[in-house]
Amino acid sequence: EAQVTQNPRYLITVTGKKLTVTCSQNMNHEYMSWYRQDPGLGLRQIYYSMNVEVTDKGDVPEGYKVSRKEKRNFPLILESPSPNQTSLYFCASSPTTGAGSPLHFGNGTRLTVT
Amino acid sequence: AQSVTQPDIHITVSEGASLELRCNYSYGATPYLFWYVQSPGQGLQLLLKYFSGDTLVQGIKGFEAEFKRSQSSFNLRKPSVHWSDAAEYFCAGIFLRQTGANNLFFGTGTRLTVIP
Repeated sequence: EAQVTQNPRYLITVTGKKLTVTCSQNMNHEYMSWYRQDPGLGLRQIYYSMNVEVTDKGDVPEGYKVSRKEKRNFPLILESPSPNQTSLYFCASSPTTGAGSPLHFGNGTRLTVT
Repeated sequence: AQSVTQPDIHITVSEGASLELRCNYSYGATPYLFWYVQSPGQGLQLLLKYFSGDTLVQGIKGFEAEFKRSQSSFNLRKPSVHWSDAAEYFCAGIFLRQTGANNLFFGTGTRLTVIP
């Protein structure tokens, strides 16, 4: 089944403890992206990747890192999480970077930083 | 600056009633526009999209949307709402970044409640 898989679904951590949220897609998509969703703010893009070893900042990249060593994986890394990073995170992928290429979303990771 | 605006945070409709969710965009050219739906605990699912051509687009689950350039709008409609339509709806637009990557900008969402 074609899908975008995020893990974990729920994560509670403490300030400063490094964490990684994994994202994997099995559709051979070129484009992958991370969003965070906050009440009243909708979804905002954190980072995106147009292909292997090609990543770039989105609109809210501060406090996050990403890597794209393989086409299928696009992990989101929080080196030193802070409470303002408590949010619902979504990974998404699309076949190409073209404007018409539809995004496929994972089911989300709810992160709480205390 | 480019943006997508959903003026209604929360809408409540009765089952069987018609629905219209509003979306406005701000962009120098015509953006590519989308509507996504998010059911509780789920990711986002694409309902429909507009690129060019016919300004009335049909989507899944009986939804349609109409692009109106004069009003910079892309409102989502459904003639008769079902209880299973209760969800959060996001309007989104693609605006070209300077890097050449097409980025999807989301509105803040409209939560739909359906009452019996």
